[in-house]
Amino acid sequence: DTAVSQTPKYLVTQMGNDKSIKCEQNLGHDTMYWYKQDSKKFLKIMFSYNNKELIINETVPNRFSPKSPDKAHLNLHINSLELGDSAVYFCASSQNTGAFDEKLFFGSGTQLSVL
Amino acid sequence: AQSVTQLDSHVSVSEGTPVLLRCNYSSSYSPSLFWYVQHPNKGLQLLLKYTSAATLVKGINGFEAEFKKSETSFHLTKPSAHMSDAAEYFCVVSEAGKSTFGDGTTLTVKP
Repeated sequence: DTAVSQTPKYLVTQMGNDKSIKCEQNLGHDTMYWYKQDSKKFLKIMFSYNNKELIINETVPNRFSPKSPDKAHLNLHINSLELGDSAVYFCASSQNTGAFDEKLFFGSGTQLSVL
Repeated sequence: AQSVTQLDSHVSVSEGTPVLLRCNYSSSYSPSLFWYVQHPNKGLQLLLKYTSAATLVKGINGFEAEFKKSETSFHLTKPSAHMSDAAEYFCVVSEAGKSTFGDGTTLTVKP
């Protein structure tokens, strides 16, 4: 069983469309994240949720709206897609015991291409 | 505030020769430090982590990293590179529940 799974793996769409990426973890973790990796491989955190509550929201346009129906799922909805949104989006999770040394478990990524 | 700098964006080595990927960090407290590896078209996988125990940390696939507080460094090494080590490597500093990623180092291994 895949620990952190995200779908779809590839997403090609036109500018202005609205799309969603889904993420599920079966590790029983309390915290989930969305990261964006650009074409230069730079990784930046976008959001972090702990037990369905938003705890980190980096300076991300409000066209991006994360939704966590339960602690095992964190979906990312993007409105009015722009060319600059093209990137690989990674979902991740961690146990969140309160320790600082928590390992992140990553999904395999969703490559979003906006045409 | 925390930050992490990977000093080389690209490193190229020959198979069988040593690997050194350099990472410097800054942190207000005693941070936790990690190295992750990302193979092409894959997610990130933890190589090793430092959490204020032994300063020399052993990870998977023969990689090691040494925490040097005086130099604020956490360089990743491997005695002998293998072709399968070709990947992107990320140094990460974690403090107060927030992880900050370095910009990554692309490791190329030549036959």
